Amino acid sequence: GDSVTQMEGPVTLSEEAFLTINCTYTATGYPSLFWYVQYPGEGLQLLLKATKADDKGSNKGFEATYRKETTSFHLEKGSVQVSDSAVYFCALNSGNTPLVFGKGTRLSVIA
Amino acid sequence: SQTIHQWPATLVQPVGSPLSLECTVEGTSNPNLYWYRQAAGRGLQLLFYSVGIGQISSEVPQNLSASRPQDRQFILSSKKLLLSDSGFYLCAWSVQTYGGYTFGSGTRLTVV
Repeated sequence: GDSVTQMEGPVTLSEEAFLTINCTYTATGYPSLFWYVQYPGEGLQLLLKATKADDKGSNKGFEATYRKETTSFHLEKGSVQVSDSAVYFCALNSGNTPLVFGKGTRLSVIA
Repeated sequence: SQTIHQWPATLVQPVGSPLSLECTVEGTSNPNLYWYRQAAGRGLQLLFYSVGIGQISSEVPQNLSASRPQDRQFILSSKKLLLSDSGFYLCAWSVQTYGGYTFGSGTRLTVV
């Protein structure tokens, strides 16, 4: 079945550092790919998405490019802020299957 | 605009007690509805989803059940809670199965 693998956390960075959170996937067909963010004590919010190969999703300074050749959708941000501290989830769905999530990566940004 | 409500926000229940968590969606018709559970260190696990009234798909066999008595209402239940049922339960909805979901604010359940 479909699956998502993302890098283990926690990730701790200083403010203004560059962020990369790796995500790779296994799926039949042509999935849509998503990044969700969960701030402490809250539900998940959609951060960005890409629906076809080579699409780049972007939002709030975060970016991710759908790479079909490497089955990857890595999340990047050039300069993180303390307010970016959260858990980040990579997810996919294809066909009529519900969203499948990775295990999440906790990011802590220190001032 | 569409909104999703989940309640209660937190719940502490003894082992063996029943459970009922409710989720409602406003501002849309015939949504797809989902229950996920987030347990420490285990990411998000899909428990149930529904594409219409009375239609429930179960992803993981366990002592939980779900029902959809109305178009925009999704209920998660248990007759007897186990310690392992503790976790953060999230309801979500989507227009189609294929695409992004909107999540509720979650219910943190602690079984003691």
